[in-house]
Amino acid sequence: EAEVAQSPRYKITEKSQAVAFWCDPISGHATLYWYRQILGQGPELLVQFQDESVVDDSQLPKDRFSAERLKGVDSTLKIQPAELGDSAMYLCASSLDFQETQYFGPGTRLLVL
Amino acid sequence: QKEVEQNSGPLSVPEGAIASLNCTYSDRGSQSFFWYRQYSGKSPELIMSIYSNGDKEDGRFTAQLNKASQYVSLLIRDSQPSDSATYLCAVNMGSARQLTFGSGTQLTVLP
Repeated sequence: EAEVAQSPRYKITEKSQAVAFWCDPISGHATLYWYRQILGQGPELLVQFQDESVVDDSQLPKDRFSAERLKGVDSTLKIQPAELGDSAMYLCASSLDFQETQYFGPGTRLLVL
Repeated sequence: QKEVEQNSGPLSVPEGAIASLNCTYSDRGSQSFFWYRQYSGKSPELIMSIYSNGDKEDGRFTAQLNKASQYVSLLIRDSQPSDSATYLCAVNMGSARQLTFGSGTQLTVLP
């Protein structure tokens, strides 16, 4: 069964350091999403890609966060510099196309000290 | 007011009982509705999707949608301890039809 892959699964970093997360969507899925989930809350969308283009990054804190999907397949989310409040689960999801059912990867749990 | 509202729980039911999880949403134009299950420390896993008013059944799970009341629910029949998890309601809403999640309802099935 095809799955969304993410790495690393866990990341511990100190504040002001840079971190990067990687996501490989299900093969053939055109739409890729990055979410942030704080403990006790539902996932919140950070950025959405359609192929290699950003279609929504309105909730992405652009002073410190960046995301890219250069070839329209895998994607990287970067935080620089990390802050204590960035500690959360970062989830990647993909769907066949816009508004189709989304499937989530295992997530990256980030702890900023 | 949150766009997607769920009772946070915790909701406890005995093994074998029916668990009822509820969700309301604010965007009357929403067309797609999803229930995800999330075990502690894991990522959300799709259980059901529903697009039309009425009931949709899949095994022990039944999703119910009432667009006029802006209400969607999930029933779990013959609840098992392995059903203990947080259940997230998600709705495609807004002009961009983003998937918006509720905060989840924590369900505990007692043996």
